[in-house]
Amino acid sequence: GIQVEQSPPDLILQEGANSTLRCNFSDSVNNLQWFHQNPWGQLINLFYIPSGTKQNGRLSATTVATERYSLLYISSSQTTDSGVYFCAVFKLIFGTGTLLAVQP
Amino acid sequence: NAGVTQTPKFQVLKTGQSMTLQCAQDMNHNSMYWYRQDPGMGLRLIYYSASEGTTDKGEVPNGYNVSRLNKREFSLRLESAAPSQTSVYFCASSERWTSGSSSYNEQFFGPGTRLTVL
Repeated sequence: GIQVEQSPPDLILQEGANSTLRCNFSDSVNNLQWFHQNPWGQLINLFYIPSGTKQNGRLSATTVATERYSLLYISSSQTTDSGVYFCAVFKLIFGTGTLLAVQP
Repeated sequence: NAGVTQTPKFQVLKTGQSMTLQCAQDMNHNSMYWYRQDPGMGLRLIYYSASEGTTDKGEVPNGYNVSRLNKREFSLRLESAAPSQTSVYFCASSERWTSGSSSYNEQFFGPGTRLTVL
């Protein structure tokens, strides 16, 4: 089956810093989503991005389907950005996530 | 527009007990899904229903049964709960659409049910 790998596994940032999270997948896909799971466990849709680039406020995402990776950019991070970020492909097969902690 | 709702939010069972987790969506989506999330891990697909009247196994179906009651509702049943089924259960729904030669299928998730089996 499709393998989904995320990096880094953990990330600690100071408030205001920028970060890039990466998602690699082992086969071609036509569905890719990024989620933020907040400290209360809620899954929040960030982007549905099987290809191309999207932006939403301080967050943006780029998927290069031909090279089998996707990137999530967080700019000017805030403490409310803390939590686990998942990418998921296909139906959905989730990566193991990136745990982000933003310190004030 | 409530999106995807799940009941109950929390449940504690003893080994061997049965229970049904309920999920409903008001987005008129055709497809619905059940996932489980174990500590420190991503979600894994248990069962899905591509459309009303159909269900299919996902990655981890053993110990579970599902019912697609109608287009809105998709339930997950544990017939004889085991401690290994302690987990957080998420329901999701989606609608497939096509654009040119490509098809798309964005999923939306409910708030989850935290289940503990003693």
